[in-house]
Amino acid sequence: DTEVTQTPKHLVMGMTNKKSLKCEQHMGHRAMYWYKQKAKKPPELMFVYSYEKLSINESVPSRFSPECPNSSLLNLHLHALQPEDSALYLCASSQDGRGRNEQFFGPGTRLTVL
Amino acid sequence: KNQVEQSPQSLIILEGKNCTLQCNYTVSPFSNLRWYKQDTGRGPVSLTIMTFSENTKSNGRYTATLDADTKQSSLHITASQLSDSASYICVVSPNRDDKIIFGKGTRLHILP
Repeated sequence: DTEVTQTPKHLVMGMTNKKSLKCEQHMGHRAMYWYKQKAKKPPELMFVYSYEKLSINESVPSRFSPECPNSSLLNLHLHALQPEDSALYLCASSQDGRGRNEQFFGPGTRLTVL
Repeated sequence: KNQVEQSPQSLIILEGKNCTLQCNYTVSPFSNLRWYKQDTGRGPVSLTIMTFSENTKSNGRYTATLDADTKQSSLHITASQLSDSASYICVVSPNRDDKIIFGKGTRLHILP
């Protein structure tokens, strides 16, 4: 299985809602990533988990809260988001957290904040 | 400063024609360079990955070249198809445990 899956595919939420994005991989990878991508822009790194520990937080606002329950799962908890947080959220995984390893991307969750 | 620059920003060609996309980078030291294809609203999909010792790599109608001396790469698409319409992103990995560096991509439009 060489696939990274993400749910839901689309999400619409209000600024007072609490929601979660989910990501799963079964490639035995020990690093998982969250990226945010605005239209016509490259992905921007948000968080990196390496061996289930948060290794990189790119100064992301606290309204985004990552969680890595085990080596196959990655969640992104959302609370009190702003309309400018609307974007495509991509999950990726790699063999480990070293940048030289290829990252495999999921299909993304299209998030709209009203 | 480590940077990856891609050109052109966008490209329109007729179905069946060939095209070449460019990527210049200033990343040093260098580990590998990857080309990704990203359909609108979808995640990037890897096309090729090359280390500094590789000059060319093919994946079907996609052929990537790398000149590590001039720090340039190209992605050549042969006999384009409508399904090739997408963004093509060049990604460079430093030879350290650093984050990968994304280019801004080339938006390719194939017209029938």
